[in-house]
Amino acid sequence: QVQLVESGGGVVQPGGSLRLSCAASGYNFNNYGMHWVRQAPGKGLEWVAIVSYEGSKRYYADSVKGRFTVSRHYSKNTLYLQMNNLRPDDTALYYCTKARGVFWFENNLSPDFWGQGTLVTVSP
Amino acid sequence: QSALTQPPSVSGSPGQSVTISCTGSTSDVGGHNYVSWYQQRPGKAPKFLIYDVSERPSGVPDRFSGSKSGNTASLTISGLQGEDEADYYCCSYAGSYSFVFGTGTTVTVL
Repeated sequence: QVQLVESGGGVVQPGGSLRLSCAASGYNFNNYGMHWVRQAPGKGLEWVAIVSYEGSKRYYADSVKGRFTVSRHYSKNTLYLQMNNLRPDDTALYYCTKARGVFWFENNLSPDFWGQGTLVTVSP
Repeated sequence: QSALTQPPSVSGSPGQSVTISCTGSTSDVGGHNYVSWYQQRPGKAPKFLIYDVSERPSGVPDRFSGSKSGNTASLTISGLQGEDEADYYCCSYAGSYSFVFGTGTTVTVL
């Protein structure tokens, strides 16, 4: 069965950096796009970024563009989110999610399976 | 990339039906048939309920159904059960490989 396990969260000062990881198993990681979605404490879900199955295409929410970078490592079946110049409003639980369908088509990229999330706190 | 608008809360008695709306624009909900819905119980990760407006993944009860009219998508829960108490979020493709979530709706079973 699909499993997604995030790690790398923690407490960081404003302006600092953090790299999140998401270890995937139970499916062919190399055939599916992947998303990052975040949820601030007590708030709703916010889409953050998506990367294509082969890693060449990456798209971001305006709120993180230029500060966050999504990437993936094939042989390690792992997704990453490099977060730089962090701000207090980046404080959230960060989920990795798998795209619904194989490869890269607009009609099959909706998130389906979700990990349990890793908490990022940006505070002085 | 403004969040899609959902009612903060809806409620119903066991066995009744409730409908949650999700209103966007022609850039997202109205322009694409790629609306999905998620259920999130307290302290848990979201669970995939509906994709492509009205399709159910395997394992999701047929009590959950989706539809769309213009810029508004809807999730209907029929035969409401106590285990349906949760937060529900819509999500729409917004073009250029971006996505937008709804503001979320809390469903209470009376």
